[in-house]
Amino acid sequence: NAGVTQTPKFRILKIGQSMTLQCTQDMNHNYMYWYRQDPGMGLKLIYYSVGAGITDKGEVPNGYNVSRSTTEDFPLRLELAAPSQTSVYFCASSPSTSGVQETQYFGPGTRLLVL
Amino acid sequence: AQTVTQSQPEMSVQEAETVTLSCTYDTSENNYYLFWYKQPPSRQMILVIRQEAYKQQNATENRFSVNFQKAAKSFSLKISDSQLGDTAMYFCAFSTSGTYKYIFGTGTRLKVLA
Repeated sequence: NAGVTQTPKFRILKIGQSMTLQCTQDMNHNYMYWYRQDPGMGLKLIYYSVGAGITDKGEVPNGYNVSRSTTEDFPLRLELAAPSQTSVYFCASSPSTSGVQETQYFGPGTRLLVL
Repeated sequence: AQTVTQSQPEMSVQEAETVTLSCTYDTSENNYYLFWYKQPPSRQMILVIRQEAYKQQNATENRFSVNFQKAAKSFSLKISDSQLGDTAMYFCAFSTSGTYKYIFGTGTRLKVLA
């Protein structure tokens, strides 16, 4: 049981390039999330998904896109990378239990540097 | 808007001592959940403790316990018998029941001194 895995661990992008951050979970969780963590700050929600085929915007979605074709995978796409997207990106998942706010399980993070 | 505030950016504690990290939140909801997460230098976010707002009893998990004051909207974390491995960033988080959004505070950096 690997939990939540993210690839790559670290990436340097040039301004204007695009890339996809991969996230996979093997816990059969319905809910998945993408956060970014800027230096010295807490986590801000980019996008989330409540199940395959269903995604919605979080607090800071501009410049990003997501898709959820399977329960396991929730990739985050950056189009036209900008220096403001330099951050650490965390993927998380949680089970869906009616009436209960479940704990989120986090991946190890992807550190992205846009130059 | 719902907010989570951690007013202590950094704290330090001697090994084996007790330390309390503060967290306050603002919400008009009545049914919600509160969490403390630990982020060690490896950056992996790890759940420390979780509290349901409808439960009056404070949650405990081994050396970690919370002081949940619902009326004051306060949710502090107490770490007893601090260990070097407790050195980490600690984040307080809030989530309203029935939503999919978790709001995080800005974190408290805790250093345990030998």
